[in-house]
Amino acid sequence: QVQLQESGPGLVKPSETLSLTCTVSGGSISSYYWSWIRQPPGKGLEWIGYIYYSGSTNYNPSLKSRVTISVDTSKNQFSLKLSSVTAADTAVYYCARVKGYYDYIWGSYRLDAFDIWGQGTMVTVSS
Amino acid sequence: QSALTQPASVSGSPGQSITISCTGTSSDVGSYNLVSWYQQHPGKAPKLMIYEGSKRPSGVSNRFSGSKSGNTASLTISGLQAEDEADYYCCSYAGSKVVFGGGTKLTVL
Repeated sequence: QVQLQESGPGLVKPSETLSLTCTVSGGSISSYYWSWIRQPPGKGLEWIGYIYYSGSTNYNPSLKSRVTISVDTSKNQFSLKLSSVTAADTAVYYCARVKGYYDYIWGSYRLDAFDIWGQGTMVTVSS
Repeated sequence: QSALTQPASVSGSPGQSITISCTGTSSDVGSYNLVSWYQQHPGKAPKLMIYEGSKRPSGVSNRFSGSKSGNTASLTISGLQAEDEADYYCCSYAGSKVVFGGGTKLTVL
């Protein structure tokens, strides 16, 4: 079965760039959309953005100016970069597979749910 | 402040039924039948319980059901069991973005 695993530094300094990678195993990254979601300690979930295996992306408007999500199909991985981090970016970061469909009438992808999640990785922003 | 509004907590006794509401707007819950629900136990990743408002993924107990009326979606858990104690989050497609509720802590008494 498909499994996801996040990896990356657990500690990032303020103003620097947070970088995480999600490795997909047990299946191909192709033909699916993939997403990043985060959860600050003791708080709720926040969608960061998603990417199609072809490279097209969509980001949360509140984070868009600082977020880049990319994909490497040869490695079956996708990645997150979040720039100019502050303490408010301290959170558990999850990668997830997206379940949805393309609406050909409206010409847009409709995200239905996140059906497979990684275990999450804690990232702390501190000097 | 989360985009979707959920009660902070609900509780019920084993065997009882509970319902968790998720109130959005005409831009998200009200416009699309793309509401999903997630169960999260402490220290664990969320688990998909309901998608497209009322569908259950394979392996999810039929004690879990979802519905929607207007701008409010609901998750009902029947025949409460101790293992259902967890946090529950709703989520909705909102036209090029995705929004979550703030989460509801379910306590099984």
